[in-house]
Amino acid sequence: GDSVTQMEGPVTLSEEAFLTINCTYTATGYPSLFWYVQYPGEGLQLLLKATKADDKGSNKGFEATYRKETTSFHLEKGSVQVSDSAVYFCALSDRGGATNKLIFGTGTLLAVQP
Amino acid sequence: SAVISQKPSRDICQRGTSLTIQCQVDSQVTMMFWYRQQPGQSLTLIATANQGSEATYESGFVIDKFPISRPNLTFSTLTVSNMSPEDSSIYLCSVVGRGQKRVNTEAFFGQGTRLTVV
Repeated sequence: GDSVTQMEGPVTLSEEAFLTINCTYTATGYPSLFWYVQYPGEGLQLLLKATKADDKGSNKGFEATYRKETTSFHLEKGSVQVSDSAVYFCALSDRGGATNKLIFGTGTLLAVQP
Repeated sequence: SAVISQKPSRDICQRGTSLTIQCQVDSQVTMMFWYRQQPGQSLTLIATANQGSEATYESGFVIDKFPISRPNLTFSTLTVSNMSPEDSSIYLCSVVGRGQKRVNTEAFFGQGTRLTVV
């Protein structure tokens, strides 16, 4: 079945460092891909998404590009802030082009130190 | 966007008892889902709550253990029955709305219910 493999954490960075969190997927169809973020004590929020190959999702300085050839959707940010400390989840939908039930990766805890 | 109110936010329960979690959405939504997030793990889909009919359960989850109701398009409940310590998790309600072109849009999540079974 479909699955998401995500870089294990925790990831600890200093403020203004470059961030990459790796995410690869396995899917039989053409899924949509998502990054969700969970800040301490809060619920999940959609950070960005991409619905087809070569799409780039971006939000709050974060970016991820849907790479069909490598089945990847790595999350990047050029300069992290302390406020970016959270758990990041990569996810795919089970139906390409629409958001239905989601399959999540294991989550990556990011801790940014001042 | 959709605003989801989930309650209780947390509870501590005795083994063998049952807990019902409520999910209220501020607008009519097409699809509602229930997820479980076990300690230190990712989210796993329990079931899709269908309005007016029985829920659709994922592999490993059964109706007797996790009965679900969805009487209308804005409300659903999940019951965790005959609880054991292994049921200690965060349970999350999720909804998917409808975009202008009748295409499903992003998924929204409630704050979750943190359940501890002792």
